Amino acid sequence: GEDVEQSLFLSVREGDSSVINCTYTDSSSTYLYWYKQEPGAGLQLLTYIFSNMDMKQDQRLTVLLNKKDKHLSLRIADTQTGDSAIYFCAESGNNAGNMLTFGGGTRLMVKP
Amino acid sequence: SQTIHQWPATLVQPVGSPLSLECTVEGTSNPNLYWYRQAAGRGLQLLFYSVGIGQISSEVPQNLSASRPQDRQFILSSKKLLLSDSGFYLCAWSVYRGYEQYFGPGTRLTVT
Repeated sequence: GEDVEQSLFLSVREGDSSVINCTYTDSSSTYLYWYKQEPGAGLQLLTYIFSNMDMKQDQRLTVLLNKKDKHLSLRIADTQTGDSAIYFCAESGNNAGNMLTFGGGTRLMVKP
Repeated sequence: SQTIHQWPATLVQPVGSPLSLECTVEGTSNPNLYWYRQAAGRGLQLLFYSVGIGQISSEVPQNLSASRPQDRQFILSSKKLLLSDSGFYLCAWSVYRGYEQYFGPGTRLTVT
C-alpha cells in the first residue's frame, strides 16, 4: 500500500528558516498536502500542491515537489515561536473518496 | 462559511462499555465525511469514509463502526470498547470530489 514518511523532529531558532521533508511511495498521487496540528487540536490545512506542479508559494510557506524522487518539502521562512507544532504531510491517490494517507508527523520546535 | 463540530471533546470510558462519537458539518451539502484515529505520538489512520447517506466504507477491520443517518452527520460507534481504542478521534469533511479536507477539533478518548 501507499506509504508516507517524515522525520520525527526538527528544532530551529526563531527567525531561521525551517525545512520539513516528506517522502511518499504512491506514484499515482494527485495532490500532496501539508497540515499543522497544535497541541490538543485538530488539523489545520496549510497548503497543498497538485502533482503536476514543482513549487507553490504562499506568504512564508514554500512547497517544493520532486515527483521523480517522490519528495515533498515545506519551507517556513522567518520561523516564529507560534509555528511550533506537528506538521503532517499527506497524499491523495486517484480515488473517488479522496482518501488521504498521512505521514507520522514532524514535531517542529522553535527556540527563542 | 462551513464549520465542523465534534462532541464530546473528551471522554473517559471503561473497557467493555459502548461508544458513540458525533460529528456534524454546517454550511455545505453532500460532503464527503471521514473518521480518523490518532494514537499518542503517531500519525493519522483513516477508519471510515462516506460519500453519501448510508454509504460507509471501512478502511481498517476492528470493533468500531460508523453510520451516516443524515447528510451532514457522521457517527462513530462501538458496542464494546477495548483498551487499544484509546486515542484522538478526528472527523473531517471535503466537498464531494473535492481535494481539500477540513478537520474538526477532535475527541480525546481514554479507555480505562
